[in-house]
Amino acid sequence: QQPVQSPQAVILREGEDAVINCSSSKALYSVHWYRQKHGEAPVFLMILLKGGEQKGHEKISASFNEKKQQSSLYLTASQLSYSGTYFCGTGQGGAQKLVFGQGTRLTINP
Amino acid sequence: GAGVSQSPSNKVTEKGKDVELRCDPISGHTALYWYRQSLGQGLEFLIYFQGNSAPDKSGLPSDRFSAERTGGSVSTLTIQRTQQEDSAVYLCASSANRGSRETQYFGPGTRLLVL
Repeated sequence: QQPVQSPQAVILREGEDAVINCSSSKALYSVHWYRQKHGEAPVFLMILLKGGEQKGHEKISASFNEKKQQSSLYLTASQLSYSGTYFCGTGQGGAQKLVFGQGTRLTINP
Repeated sequence: GAGVSQSPSNKVTEKGKDVELRCDPISGHTALYWYRQSLGQGLEFLIYFQGNSAPDKSGLPSDRFSAERTGGSVSTLTIQRTQQEDSAVYLCASSANRGSRETQYFGPGTRLLVL
């Protein structure tokens, strides 16, 4: 089951904050966040694991609510380089693979 | 290697031809994944390898698609009798071990265009 990301797109000015949400109808064992710039490979940002372990990136943080099967990615004091499409990938049940959301397109303007 | 590499970076083919896409994972990574990304869309899982075995092929869209992995390293995704709807970016990722708790590192992708 594909997780749902919201919003689908957001436009900000440099320095503003953004929150991207990822919601699943299935129990989650992990949530992975990636950023993809146009024409490039997705780049790993952060992984959140059931049980609370988190491995992250400076200046970008995330939360994982296991009971609600939701994760949120927080981008504070956004920089121009934050522009791109953000994907959450979810580990569901005992599956070894990730199921990705449809992406959130973030545009940061000067 | 330093990262996941894929070849070719771009491939243009005629409808009905066969194509082979190659993925070289990060050295020592035991798990390898293939995804497809259509224009403006998310990542669609195709197949996953642990070593040379493929425990999950559930994402392959038809029997025209197949993949293999040899020596626990290089993987090849083959599309036979290509169709226009096969046009997409095919991404490969590898992780140190299997499982959804492992970080996956992506290659740059192969952009396939079927005319």
